[in-house]
Amino acid sequence: AQSVTQPDIHITVSEGASLELRCNYSYGATPYLFWYVQSPGQGLQLLLKYFSGDTLVQGIKGFEAEFKRSQSSFNLRKPSVHWSDAAEYFCAVLRDNYGQNFVFGPGTRLSVLP
Amino acid sequence: NAGVTQTPKFQVLKTGQSMTLQCAQDMNHEYMSWYRQDPGMGLRLIHYSVGAGITDQGEVPNGYNVSRSTTEDFPLRLLSAAPSQTSVYFCASSPGPNNEQFFGPGTRLTVL
Repeated sequence: AQSVTQPDIHITVSEGASLELRCNYSYGATPYLFWYVQSPGQGLQLLLKYFSGDTLVQGIKGFEAEFKRSQSSFNLRKPSVHWSDAAEYFCAVLRDNYGQNFVFGPGTRLSVLP
Repeated sequence: NAGVTQTPKFQVLKTGQSMTLQCAQDMNHEYMSWYRQDPGMGLRLIHYSVGAGITDQGEVPNGYNVSRSTTEDFPLRLLSAAPSQTSVYFCASSPGPNNEQFFGPGTRLTVL
């Protein structure tokens, strides 16, 4: 069965520091991969997505992610974190070609120190 | 555009009660979904719809019913609430296959 793991439940970084959030997936075919962010009490907002092509994808708010097929990973990065980035981050994979069956990882909560 | 709206924002039920969580979108999206979010488990798909009159089960459908009579609305019905259904429920819509999903603000449900 397809699954998504996010090994880090909670990460704390200082403002201005770089960030990398890990995501690993298990999926037989070429996956469609997503990163979403959820601010407290809010719904989820798409940061970026990968369907095919260039393995380094750029998203909103200065985030980027790199797809590595050999490692089954899709890690999210940001070179300099802002206090407003504190939120929960979810990696997701599209489960089937029907286009609607998403599988989400458990999430990583990011705290930012001033 | 209001996007995806959900009502109510909060709800407390007693075991055995029934209720309907409402979801509406004004973006003319064909695809709509319901998820539940539980701590440490991410979002799990309950039911989804790829158009009016078409619904299908997701990962955790037991105890929930859906229908899709219009493109705009996708209500989720709890037939007989159980404490295990205490969760935050999110509705989402997307314009078609392999597209991003747009999420509503969520409904926090507590079943006593």
